[in-house]
Amino acid sequence: EAQVTQNPRYLITVTGKKLTVTCSQNMNHEYMSWYRQDPGLGLRQIYYSMNVEVTDKGDVPEGYKVSRKEKRNFPLILESPSPNQTSLYFCASSPRTRSYEQYFGPGTRLTVT
Amino acid sequence: SQQGEEDPQALSIQEGENATMNCSYKTSINNLQWYRQNSGRGLVHLILIRSNEREKHSGRLRVTLDTSKKSSSLLITASRAADTASYFCATDSNYQLIWGAGTKLIIKP
Repeated sequence: EAQVTQNPRYLITVTGKKLTVTCSQNMNHEYMSWYRQDPGLGLRQIYYSMNVEVTDKGDVPEGYKVSRKEKRNFPLILESPSPNQTSLYFCASSPRTRSYEQYFGPGTRLTVT
Repeated sequence: SQQGEEDPQALSIQEGENATMNCSYKTSINNLQWYRQNSGRGLVHLILIRSNEREKHSGRLRVTLDTSKKSSSLLITASRAADTASYFCATDSNYQLIWGAGTKLIIKP
C-alpha cells in the first residue's frame, strides 16, 4: 500500500530533550516536506527536500533540523524542544515538487512541557 | 502571511444539501489544490486545478477557479455525514505552497 508513515504518533516530552520524528514514504517520491498545524493558522511548512541531500527552509524552520540521506526517509529533529513547538506535525511527499498532489502521513501530536 | 484564505470558517448544513466553500489568494498561482482533513488526521488530496483551467469535477466535487478575482470555490453536492471534515485550499505560486486556515464543514443528519 502506498503510504507515508510517521513515528511516533504521539509524544510528550520536556523542554530541552532532543527528539526525532521519523517519516518514511514507499512511493519513490522525490519531494518531501514537514508541516506543523496549529489552531487557526492552517499548515505552515517547516522544511522541504527536493531530493536526496537537498533540503531547504520553509516558513518556520527555527528550532528544527532535517536530513535526507535516503530517498524514502526524511526525519525531523528538534535539538532542544520548547513549549512553543507543541503542535501537530505532518510529513508529506509528492512525486516531484510541491506542484503535485501531496500525500500526507497520519500526523504526530507533540507536547513539550 | 497566509495567501489562501477560506470562507466561511465554519459551515453547518443538513445531509443532502450542497456545501460551498471559497478560497481567496493574493498573488498569481501555478495551480490551486483542495484537501480534506478528518479530525486530527492527515490531509487527503481532493482536486488540483491549474491556472489555465476554469472548472474541474471529481464525483460529487466541483471546483472553479477565477484567476481574475483570485478566488476558487469548492462545491460538494448531495452532502453526506462522511463529508464532515475540514477543507483546505493550497495555492502554488513560484516560491511555495501556501495553505489557508480551512473551512470546518459539519453535516447534520
